[in-house]
Amino acid sequence: LAKTTQPISMDSYEGQEVNITCSHNNIATNDYITWYQQFPSQGPRFIIQGYKTKVTNEVASLFIPADRKSSTLSLPRVSLSDTAVYYCLVGDGKRDDKIIFGKGTRLHILP
Amino acid sequence: NAGVTQTPKFRVLKTGQSMTLLCAQDMNHEYMYWYRQDPGMGLRLIHYSVGEGTTAKGEVPDGYNVSRLKKQNFLLGLESAAPSQTSVYFCASSPPQVGTGELFFGEGSRLTVL
Repeated sequence: LAKTTQPISMDSYEGQEVNITCSHNNIATNDYITWYQQFPSQGPRFIIQGYKTKVTNEVASLFIPADRKSSTLSLPRVSLSDTAVYYCLVGDGKRDDKIIFGKGTRLHILP
Repeated sequence: NAGVTQTPKFRVLKTGQSMTLLCAQDMNHEYMYWYRQDPGMGLRLIHYSVGEGTTAKGEVPDGYNVSRLKKQNFLLGLESAAPSQTSVYFCASSPPQVGTGELFFGEGSRLTVL
């Protein structure tokens, strides 16, 4: 299982772009990188998944360098409602793959 | 479309009592998971199932048992509850997919063991 390392917490201001970096030095060839968001008292919610280069959807962008040993979740122009915990996961989706969340990054958006 | 439903949402137990948490999904998903989350902590995988009739241990399986007799249901049992099992429990389901993919979570079940 590829282990991930993320900052424990981050603060930013409304309207700013926020980048959260995740380190996964022992990522395997078939592994994908997936990010989740969790609000208090709710279950996590899928944000984005990618394998290499850049992936963008209506919520976020995911940047993955060529060596794939890290990835960066980019949230454009954050608002107070983006205050949440963000989790970086790595895995290949095989039947015996344990999906491990870790502690995530607690993002606090300030007015 | 209900998605993933957890029952009960709240429960208080005394040490040594037993109980079962029920997770039901109506999306015909193959994979199902039970996680626990303690204050200020991330989610920790207790057990998971990759299909009807199969279960496997996660990161923190001790003190819990599970069963997946029907594809749509995944039961988490505590045979003899301990205060250390006070937590919020989340169930999730997903179809087979590349990467960890998209897991669909229930609203959580808050368990307190006195």
